[in-house]
Amino acid sequence: GESVGLHLPTLSVQEGDNSIINCAYSNSASDYFIWYKQESGKGPQFIIDIRSNMDKRQGQRVTVLLNKTVKHLSLQIAATQPGDSAVYFCAERSNDYKLSFGAGTTVTVRA
Amino acid sequence: DVKVTQSSRYLVKRTGEKVFLECVQDMDHENMFWYRQDPGLGLRLIYFSYDVKMKEKGDIPEGYSVSREKKERFSLILESASTNQTSMYLCASRRGLNQPQHFGDGTRLSIL
Repeated sequence: GESVGLHLPTLSVQEGDNSIINCAYSNSASDYFIWYKQESGKGPQFIIDIRSNMDKRQGQRVTVLLNKTVKHLSLQIAATQPGDSAVYFCAERSNDYKLSFGAGTTVTVRA
Repeated sequence: DVKVTQSSRYLVKRTGEKVFLECVQDMDHENMFWYRQDPGLGLRLIYFSYDVKMKEKGDIPEGYSVSREKKERFSLILESASTNQTSMYLCASRRGLNQPQHFGDGTRLSIL
């Protein structure tokens, strides 16, 4: 079946270092991908999205990379800060209305 | 900024009760969604609505219904609450097809 997954359930990062969060997807027909951040007690917050006709997109301190050949998506966070501690989800649009979400990676920033 | 507001952060109900969860968005979004989030299972789509008075089943609609009488409001109804419906419920909305879904902060529902 189709699935969206993250390579690691947890990631510990030193404050100031760059973080890389990975996600593998299985539906080669997916054309739109989103990264979300979820802090404790809150709903998922949109970070950045990318369409399949792109392989890289940058936002403020974040970069999303899409490799359609190996069906891999990554989120890079530059100069990780304590406020970046959260659960990060990738999501893949599998049809017009449905998003398939990965299980999430918990990022912990060490001071 | 997009604002998706869920009426309750925490709710405790009893088995067999009819439960209403309300969601309002203020950005004139066409599409609205209801998910539940459970540890180890991620976010699962219950129902969605692509326009007023329109609704479609998601992956796990059993035991739930929805109502979209106005564009800004999407209600999730548990017809007869059961303990396995204890969960975090998340509402989302989006402007259109190639736009991200924006989420509310969730309602943590406990069924006793």
